[in-house]
Amino acid sequence: KAGVTQTPRYLIKTRGQQVTLSCSPISGHRSVSWYQQTPGQGLQFLFEYFSETQRNKGNFPGRFSGRQFSNSRSEMNVSTLELGDSALYLCASSRDSPGGELFFGEGSRLTVL
Amino acid sequence: DQQVKQNSPSLSVQEGRISILNCDYTNSMFDYFLWYKKYPAEGPTFLISISSIKDKNEDGRFTVFLNKSAKHLSLHIVPSQPGDSAVYFCAASSLNSGGTSYGKLTFGQGTILTVHP
Repeated sequence: KAGVTQTPRYLIKTRGQQVTLSCSPISGHRSVSWYQQTPGQGLQFLFEYFSETQRNKGNFPGRFSGRQFSNSRSEMNVSTLELGDSALYLCASSRDSPGGELFFGEGSRLTVL
Repeated sequence: DQQVKQNSPSLSVQEGRISILNCDYTNSMFDYFLWYKKYPAEGPTFLISISSIKDKNEDGRFTVFLNKSAKHLSLHIVPSQPGDSAVYFCAASSLNSGGTSYGKLTFGQGTILTVHP
């Protein structure tokens, strides 16, 4: 069974640019969540999508956005990149049931110069 | 406002001994708790979970204890093995708040566990 796939794995951008990250969930999983991991802040929840609708949102500025497609694949976008956006961005999918664990991808490592 | 805290950044244990990782939370709405393990360059992997209606859950070498009155949970690994060396994250969610928080976890900062042979 294929796991959660994130692309690209590594990318380098400069301040002011925008970036789009992609996530393919495990087959049959309809919930996709995004997290940002930084050394200082740990793992922080960005947003969650279910059936193409954003169901939950964390405390991040509007520069961070996302969407989910009908096949449950998801993308997140960060516009007007800042140095502080350098982080590991993790996508997770779940069966969306009580106690359903999250399955994480390997992450996309973004470096902003 | 850090709602889930892991106060020990690191823990060093000898192989074969017990590893105890601790986690405290402040939000009384949390009713489901999980532990994840993370190796470098990989995503976190699920280890074990516990619902707030229980105070203990076991899975092989891993046991999680929950003390709701103290808002404290711990993960015991017995016996510890060198392959257990990784970062361990405690996480919490509010599953009963309308059933819409399955994908939203609040994580602690993580504890680096090193198991020496």
